[in-house]
Amino acid sequence: DTAVSQTPKYLVTQMGNDKSIKCEQNLGHDTMYWYKQDSKKFLKIMFSYNNKELIINETVPNRFSPKSPDKAHLNLHINSLELGDSAVYFCASSQERRKGIYTGELFFGEGSRLTVL
Amino acid sequence: AQKITQTQPGMFVQEKEAVTLDCTYDTSDQSYGLFWYKQPSSGEMIFLIYQGSYDEQNATEGRYSLNFQKARKSANLVISASQLGDSAMYFCAMRERYGGSYIPTFGRGTSLIVHP
Repeated sequence: DTAVSQTPKYLVTQMGNDKSIKCEQNLGHDTMYWYKQDSKKFLKIMFSYNNKELIINETVPNRFSPKSPDKAHLNLHINSLELGDSAVYFCASSQERRKGIYTGELFFGEGSRLTVL
Repeated sequence: AQKITQTQPGMFVQEKEAVTLDCTYDTSDQSYGLFWYKQPSSGEMIFLIYQGSYDEQNATEGRYSLNFQKARKSANLVISASQLGDSAMYFCAMRERYGGSYIPTFGRGTSLIVHP
């Protein structure tokens, strides 16, 4: 079973469209994240969310919004897509303590490659 | 504000030799965690190793070890006996407390190429 799954893996769309990327984790983790990886491979945190707190990177345009219907899902909605939004988007999850041992490692999905034409 | 710096955009190593990938960090927190991830050309992110700021021993995981020098704020990754399959991007990351959560942020990565 895939621990963190994202759909779709590839998304090609026109400028100005609205799109969503879904993310689900079956690890029982309490925190989920969205990262953007640009063409230079830089991974930038966009959002961090658990059932208590949504943390937004202030540099992320408000065209991007996370939506979490429940603890296992964190979807990414993007409005009015722009050329610069083309990137690979990674969903990830973590649990601060696992079996009494602190690791907090991130478990990543496979990434969703978004291309805006 | 925190910052992760990886000063080596690219590194080359001969197969079976050891290689050190540099990572320095900047934080005012006393409690933090440091990670290394590998990203092969296939694109997935693979967790390699973790070091907590209060851990006195350097972390080791198989051929990977983390050379943690707290006073110098460095957390270098050492890969022993390099293999061709080690060719990949390597990212150093740090988790810091931000409000009620821990936020992992990444360095810009080092591209490692292992030569036969």
